[in-house]
Amino acid sequence: ELKVEQNPLFLSMQEGKNYTIYCNYSTTSDRLYWYRQDPGKSLESLFVLLSNGAVKQEGRLMASLDTKARLSTLHITAAVHDLSATYFCAVVWNGGATNKLIFGTGTLLAVQP
Amino acid sequence: DVKVTQSSRYLVKRTGEKVFLECVQDMDHENMFWYRQDPGLGLRLIYFSYDVKMKEKGDIPEGYSVSREKKERFSLILESASTNQTSMYLCASSYGYEQYFGPGTRLTVT
Repeated sequence: ELKVEQNPLFLSMQEGKNYTIYCNYSTTSDRLYWYRQDPGKSLESLFVLLSNGAVKQEGRLMASLDTKARLSTLHITAAVHDLSATYFCAVVWNGGATNKLIFGTGTLLAVQP
Repeated sequence: DVKVTQSSRYLVKRTGEKVFLECVQDMDHENMFWYRQDPGLGLRLIYFSYDVKMKEKGDIPEGYSVSREKKERFSLILESASTNQTSMYLCASSYGYEQYFGPGTRLTVT
């Protein structure tokens, strides 16, 4: 069974600072997603990473994937308040009749002015 | 744009009541999913369906059942609601790997 661990669970950071969220998973997988969830709202897809060494960037967020280490990172550059949200990584698991996403526990990011 | 809707944003039920949560998607997706989301536990898969009338148990199916009579609609049923089922419930649909989520239903069981 695939397990996904995400850390930290909670991250309070100041505007303008950089930080990284980590996502480890236990078995080989085809692809990995990063989602964002604003308070009281649903999940919105940010990135999909398909291969070893994949890097995707949008604005102040950059996601990367190392399939050999089974590790993905979400790097935040010069944080701004608008980035405050909960971030989830999710890994595809091909274990049955259809593909499932196994989610990490989420990282609650609070960017302080 | 893919649209996934859920019947209620907030729901309050009493212990022992039968509860129906409805989810509808408008993109002709084959796969539909029900998750519950609890603080510190992330999203946990309750049930999913890869075709009409087909269903598979997820990681935490106990206390829940589902129904998929039409492709666009996937219902989650709590046969006899209990307080430990108080949670946020999220529905999703997919054609390939990527899942599209509904807005969620916050269920409180008192």
